[in-house]
Amino acid sequence: QQQVKQSPQSLIVQKGGISIINCAYENTAFDYFPWYQQFPGKGPALLIAIRPDVSEKKEGRFTISFNKSAKQFSLHIMDSQPGDSATYFCAANYGQNFVFGPGTRLSVLP
Amino acid sequence: EAQVTQNPRYLITVTGKKLTVTCSQNMNHEYMSWYRQDPGLGLRQIYYSMNVEVTDKGDVPEGYKVSRKEKRNFPLILESPSPNQTSLYFCASSINRVSDEQFFGPGTRLTVL
Repeated sequence: QQQVKQSPQSLIVQKGGISIINCAYENTAFDYFPWYQQFPGKGPALLIAIRPDVSEKKEGRFTISFNKSAKQFSLHIMDSQPGDSATYFCAANYGQNFVFGPGTRLSVLP
Repeated sequence: EAQVTQNPRYLITVTGKKLTVTCSQNMNHEYMSWYRQDPGLGLRQIYYSMNVEVTDKGDVPEGYKVSRKEKRNFPLILESPSPNQTSLYFCASSINRVSDEQFFGPGTRLTVL
């Protein structure tokens, strides 16, 4: 119930391509779904977040798509750049509980 | 500069030797939390605190203690470390709820021999 599943584990994309990372959850009590980006040797940093009352949120090249009925959400990175190479974590929250997915290591080739 | 600081950044210790990892934030945040990061498991919440003197267990609290005597500080205490506590630890803070943006510290890499 508390788990957030994330796929793929790793992803290699050419510069300019679209990166897609998928997450799924079971607990319908989750009401906040952020994505965090982590560069090597750094702590995670909030990239973009969505609440279940909307199906999509876009900020620049980053878009979250949210499917409440399927209990799935995904991160799309358009025009992927080498500087986007990092580990991405989806997460879910309800109350004061916060659950992270296992992470996706993205490599964008120049 | 608004930030979350952790000390030490790296620590190698032996089984059973008590240690404390400090965490401090200068943003006047009410909510603070500790996570451990392990390969393939993502970040798992150890303990969190909603305000001074208010702490609660996360998903993996066994073997850890915390205290919140001041708003800015939230130390993580391992009274008798064991090798399975070898991990990368992150402290985070947010304004007043976990669903606010969490600001993470730089991490503490702990090795217990």
